Amino acid sequence: DFQMTQSPSSLSASVGDRVTITCRASQGIGNFLAWFQQKPGQVPNLLVYAASTLRSGVPSRFSGSGSGTYFTLIISSLQPEDVATYYCQKYNSAPWTFGQGTKVEIK
Amino acid sequence: EAQLMEFGGDLVQAGGSLRLSCVASGFSFSAYDMTWVRQAPGKGLEWVSTISNGGSRTFYADSVKGRFTVSRDNTEDTLYLHMNSLRVEDTAIYYCAKFFDTLKVADVWGAGTTVIASP
Repeated sequence: DFQMTQSPSSLSASVGDRVTITCRASQGIGNFLAWFQQKPGQVPNLLVYAASTLRSGVPSRFSGSGSGTYFTLIISSLQPEDVATYYCQKYNSAPWTFGQGTKVEIK
Repeated sequence: EAQLMEFGGDLVQAGGSLRLSCVASGFSFSAYDMTWVRQAPGKGLEWVSTISNGGSRTFYADSVKGRFTVSRDNTEDTLYLHMNSLRVEDTAIYYCAKFFDTLKVADVWGAGTTVIASP
């Protein structure tokens, strides 16, 4: 089974901190990796696609990088509105597997 | 503005069937592949199924293969998910989503519809 493994599963950081979330694919997926943000009670929202391309309108404090099997999502300066669960997803082919999610909270 | 709205979620006994609908507006529905994603209570996102823009190619997660069928009616701008032999573990919010341009990643999501399969 194809797996996407995110770490950590949760984190607590202070406003202004740099936050890093990692996502590992069990097989190489090139750069076919997306990141989603799901705020409490809301629908998922696409942040990054092609591993590092920021969707239009997404704040520049978010950035993505990586290729192959290792990917990261960085929030350069955590803001209160960034409290959410973040998911990675592969989309090179079926199955479109999600990571298990990383819950980000403010300390 | 592209919008999606799901219908059909309900409380059903395990073993039963349900059909979810997703009505699209604000974009050329027939041009885009579409997908279903679900989220069990308090859990993460799980990809369920994807269908090509013309409906000829369909894909399913192993957890629903053989029980769920995805289809679409491009004349009615509607996506469907036919769910048979429902299990308690199928209980979730079901979201439909549109793929982003030529990328197979979801950029527009519906608000979701809730399916509860009771023991």
